[in-house]
Amino acid sequence: DIQMTQSPSSLSASVGDRVTITCRASQSISTYLNWYQQKPGKAPKLLIYDASSLQSGVPSRFSGSGSGTDFTLTISSLQPEDFATYYCQQSYSTPYAFGQGTKLEIK
Amino acid sequence: EVQLVESGGGLIQPGGSLRLSCAASGFTVSSNYMTWVRQAPGKGLEWVSVIYRGGTPYYADSVKGRFTISRDNSNNTLYLQMNSLRTEDTAVYFCAYSSGYASIDYWGQGTLVTVSS
Repeated sequence: DIQMTQSPSSLSASVGDRVTITCRASQSISTYLNWYQQKPGKAPKLLIYDASSLQSGVPSRFSGSGSGTDFTLTISSLQPEDFATYYCQQSYSTPYAFGQGTKLEIK
Repeated sequence: EVQLVESGGGLIQPGGSLRLSCAASGFTVSSNYMTWVRQAPGKGLEWVSVIYRGGTPYYADSVKGRFTISRDNSNNTLYLQMNSLRTEDTAVYFCAYSSGYASIDYWGQGTLVTVSS
C-alpha cells in the first residue's frame, strides 16, 4: 500500500503570507494527487486534482505542483478563510490513502 | 444539483452491525466512483472503501472482511454494511462521489457512528 506523509503537521501564519505544504508518497504516483481543505465540523472540499489542476470555483491563490513522489500545495497570499486543515490524497492505486493532515493556524 | 445525504449512524455495541445509507440526487450512483471516507473524533481523514462504475469494490485493510460497500441503482443509494464493529470504528462516515477520475468533488455531511459498550 502507498503511504502519504505531509509536512508540517501544523503551521502558524499570518494573513497575506505565502504558505507551502508538502506531501510525499512512499512510491511514485505520477500526478495522481489531490488536495482537500477541511474546516471544523464540515466535509472536506476538493481544491486541486491531478497534482496541479485547480478545481472549479477554487480561488487562484491556491496552486499545486509535483510528480512522482513529491508534491506541494501553495497558497500565495493567505486569506482569513484559508485557516483550516489540508489533506493530500493519492488516487493512483487502492487504497486511496490520505496524508495525516496539516493544520494551518493564525499567527 | 448533486446532493448526498447519509443516514443510519448511531450508537452500537462492539461486535454489532450497522448499515449506513447515502441517498444521492443530481446524478446516478452507478455513473462513476462512489467512496466512503471516515474521520475519528479529532483525527484525520481515513479512506474506507470505493465502488467503481462497473461495480468492483475495494476496501482499506482496516475494514476488509467486515465492511461491504454496495449500491442500489433503482433507489440511487449507496450503502456501507458494517459488521463486527470495533471501538476503533467510531467516526463520522462521509459518503462521497467522484465525477471525474478518483478525486472526490462531492461529499455528504457525514453520519456519526459510535461503537461503545
